[in-house]
Amino acid sequence: DADVTQTPRNRITKTGKRIMLECSQTKGHDRMYWYRQDPGLGLRLIYYSFDVKDINKGEISDGYSVSRQAQAKFSLSLESAIPNQTALYFCATSGGDTQYFGPGTRLTVL
Amino acid sequence: AQSVTQLGSHVSVSEGALVLLRCNYSSSVPPYLFWYVQYPNQGLQLLLKYTSAATLVKGINGFEAEFKKSETSFHLTKPSAHMSDAAEYFCAVSPSGGYQKVTFGTGTKLQVIP
Repeated sequence: DADVTQTPRNRITKTGKRIMLECSQTKGHDRMYWYRQDPGLGLRLIYYSFDVKDINKGEISDGYSVSRQAQAKFSLSLESAIPNQTALYFCATSGGDTQYFGPGTRLTVL
Repeated sequence: AQSVTQLGSHVSVSEGALVLLRCNYSSSVPPYLFWYVQYPNQGLQLLLKYTSAATLVKGINGFEAEFKKSETSFHLTKPSAHMSDAAEYFCAVSPSGGYQKVTFGTGTKLQVIP
C-alpha cells in the first residue's frame, strides 16, 4: 500500500463550488503539507501542519483552508473554487530525514 | 530570501550518456539543498539532500550532486543514463532542514533517447 494516498485523483468542478481534497498517510509522521503544482512554476506550499494542533499558512494560502482530523489525515478545502485554482495538488508528509509525496489530485475548475 | 534557478527546462541525453542537470541557488544563509524526481503521473520523490556535511551527496538510483559554494551550484549528475531516468527533476533550497521552508525550482524534464 502507498505511504500517502489522496482522494480524489481527478476532479472537475464549477466556479463557486466548495471542494475538499483528502490526504491520508501511513508513515506515522506528525508533519504534513499541501502543495500546488502549476506548469513552469514548480511546487508552492499552501499549508503545513506539524501536529494535530499546529497548522500554519504557506506561501499561497489565500482561498484555501485545511483541517487536520488526525495524525494521519490532512484535508484541503477550497471554499469557493475559481478557475485559477486549476492545478495539480500534492499532499506530503515528512519524518526523519525525508519527505514522502502522494500521487496528486488533478483539479479543474470551470 | 532564497531561490533556485534550473538551467534548461528540457534536457535530452542518449541512453548510456552522462546526465547533467544544472541548478544554481541563492540564499542569505548556508543552505540546505535538495533534488526531487517526478515520474509521469506520480508525486515527487526525494533523490538526495545536502545538509552541510559532505559536499558530494549520493542519492538513489545512481544520482549524485556536488555542492559548490564558490559557484553557488548544486548540479545533479549520473554517469550513465537509463531509459527509466526519463522524468522531471526539481532542485530546491531551504534555509534550514525543515521542509516547510523549501523553495522549488521550475523543473527540468529529462528525455532519454534510445
